[in-house]
Amino acid sequence: DAGVTQSPTHLIKTRGQHVTLRCSPISGHKSVSWYQQVLGQGPQFIFQYYEKEERGRGNFPDRFSARQFPNYSSELNVNALLLGDSALYLCASSFNRGTGELFFGEGSRLTVL
Amino acid sequence: AQSVTQPDIHITVSEGASLELRCNYSYGATPYLFWYVQSPGQGLQLLLKYFSGDTLVQGIKGFEAEFKRSQSSFNLRKPSVHWSDAAEYFCAVGLHTGGFKTIFGAGTRLFVKA
Repeated sequence: DAGVTQSPTHLIKTRGQHVTLRCSPISGHKSVSWYQQVLGQGPQFIFQYYEKEERGRGNFPDRFSARQFPNYSSELNVNALLLGDSALYLCASSFNRGTGELFFGEGSRLTVL
Repeated sequence: AQSVTQPDIHITVSEGASLELRCNYSYGATPYLFWYVQSPGQGLQLLLKYFSGDTLVQGIKGFEAEFKRSQSSFNLRKPSVHWSDAAEYFCAVGLHTGGFKTIFGAGTRLFVKA
């Protein structure tokens, strides 16, 4: 079975632009979570979606939004990019919303210039 | 507020030596506890987890961890380190918040010398 897949793997944007990152969970997994990992730090929780509804939100500004589609794939959108948004964005899937056992993709590396 | 502390930013051990990575958490109740490993260029992989029951848990790749409620700790151990264990290790706390939220520590970078 395929693992969690994310696209694109790398991208470069300039300040003020918008970015969309995509994630396909493991087949059968209904929960998708997004994390931001700045260089030298641990992942920071951004969102959790389960059955297409937002189930949790971390301490991120409203410039960050996400959604989950009927096939359980997900998009993370970031508007008005700032230099500080440069990071590795990780998507993780799990079978349900409460097991805590996360399966991570390899991430999307975003550089904001 | 909930938090996870990994006191060691990096650790260097010789191949074949034993390893212990420290983790302390701050949370009102017994949380779900995890250790993940991140190799260069790869996503995070779950090594082991503790939900309840036996406080000594076994994971993949020969790793184990012990939950100590009195010390709010969940230290990771391995009796004999291999060069392929060189990676970044993250301790994490899982919380039910309507959904499920995982809080990660800052990580400990493990270097293995021959």
